Amino acid sequence: SQTIHQWPATLVQPVGSPLSLECTVEGTSNPNLYWYRQAAGRGLQLLFYSVGIGQISSEVPQNLSASRPQDRQFILSSKKLLLSDSGFYLCAWSVKGPRAEQYFGPGTRLTVT
Amino acid sequence: AQSVTQLDSHVSVSEGTPVLLRCNYSSSYSPSLFWYVQHPNKGLQLLLKYTSAATLVKGINGFEAEFKKSETSFHLTKPSAHMSDAAEYFCVVRGALNTGRRALTFGSGTRLQVQP
Repeated sequence: SQTIHQWPATLVQPVGSPLSLECTVEGTSNPNLYWYRQAAGRGLQLLFYSVGIGQISSEVPQNLSASRPQDRQFILSSKKLLLSDSGFYLCAWSVKGPRAEQYFGPGTRLTVT
Repeated sequence: AQSVTQLDSHVSVSEGTPVLLRCNYSSSYSPSLFWYVQHPNKGLQLLLKYTSAATLVKGINGFEAEFKKSETSFHLTKPSAHMSDAAEYFCVVRGALNTGRRALTFGSGTRLQVQP
C-alpha cells in the first residue's frame, strides 16, 4: 500500500531563517506531488505541484520554492522565512489521470517567530 | 475556472441528530467533487468523491453526499452524528482537465461541533 511521510511534524523558526520541509511517498511510482498551505482558520491553498522529477509549477508567487530531486521526494524550501509563512503545510500525492483523488500526508506545523 | 463555497463556517449538532454541511460549486465543465475531513492538527482524509457516476455518493463513517447539477450543490449529510465526527470538513472541486494541473480547489471549511 502507499504511504506518504512528512517531516518534521512541527517546527519553530525565527524570521529570516531558512526552511526545508520534506515529503516522501512510498508504494507508488511517478506520482503527481503537491504542496498546500493552510493558514489559521482558512482553507488550503495550493503552493506547488509537480508531475515529474525536476518539474515544478508554482501557483502563488512568494518567497517559497519547491524541488523534486527524486521521483518520490518533494521538498519545500525558503531562504528567508517571513512571519506570514506560519501555517500548516500539507503534502499530497496522486496517480496520473483525470479522476485520481489526492492523498495527504500528516502535515507540518510551522511557526515563524 | 472553478470555485467552491461552503455556506456555513460552523455547524453545531447534538449527538444522534442529523448532520448537513452545505457546499455549492462553480465550474464550466463537468466537475469532480470531494469531501475531506481534517481532525485537529492532523492531515486530510478523503470522505467521498463524485466523478460523474452515481449522483448519490456514499463515503466512509456513514457520510454521503448528493451531486445536484441543477442546484450546483454537493451537500454532505449523515443521519446520526457521533462525537468522533467533530472536525473540520472541506468541500473540494478538482482542477480543469485540460490544464494538466490535477490540483484541487478547497472551500474555506466548515467546523462541525457535536454536543453530547
